[in-house]
Amino acid sequence: DAGVTQSPTHLIKTRGQQVTLRCSPKSGHDTVSWYQQALGQGPQFIFQYYEEEERQRGNFPDRFSGHQFPNYSSELNVNALLLGDSALYLCASRLGPPNPNTEAFFGQGTRLTVV
Amino acid sequence: AQSVAQPEDQVNVAEGNPLTVKCTYSVSGNPYLFWYVQYPNRGLQFLLKYITGDNLVKGSYGFEAEFNKSQTSFHLKKPSALVSDSALYFCAVRRTNQAGTALIFGKGTTLSVSS
Repeated sequence: DAGVTQSPTHLIKTRGQQVTLRCSPKSGHDTVSWYQQALGQGPQFIFQYYEEEERQRGNFPDRFSGHQFPNYSSELNVNALLLGDSALYLCASRLGPPNPNTEAFFGQGTRLTVV
Repeated sequence: AQSVAQPEDQVNVAEGNPLTVKCTYSVSGNPYLFWYVQYPNRGLQFLLKYITGDNLVKGSYGFEAEFNKSQTSFHLKKPSALVSDSALYFCAVRRTNQAGTALIFGKGTTLSVSS
């Protein structure tokens, strides 16, 4: 059973560019969340998708957007990249938001470096 | 607002000794509490969770955590530390309403176990 998979594992982009990160959830999971982990910090919640809709959003600007596909996979898009967007981006999946006691499973992350 | 505090940036312990990694939380209503571990250049791995019931929760790799409602704490413990336990540990809380299923993480505690 494959866990949460993310691609690519590493990425280097230039300021002002746009980036797309991808996530496939653990088998059987239908809810995907994205987190940003800056160096030396805990993960910060970006947003959550369920049934192809954004259900909850953290304190991130509109430059951060996402999408969930019918097969539950998800993309995170960041426009107009800033140096401060350099971080490890983590995808987490779980089964359904109406059941808050299920744990989230995390992928290994995508390391984004903005130069 | 909900929050998690991990008061120690680093915990050092000798192999074979007991370890404790501290966590306190602030949330309205009943909390769902989690511990995750992160190894270098990896995603987060789930260790254990408290939802309801017994205040002592047992998890993976011999770890356990004690929920204390009056002190709003959820400390991670292990009776006998291993060198391989050395990693970054995160405490997280989830609010228990349907709209609030995002995880709020502490800043993390680095555990160093010496041989």
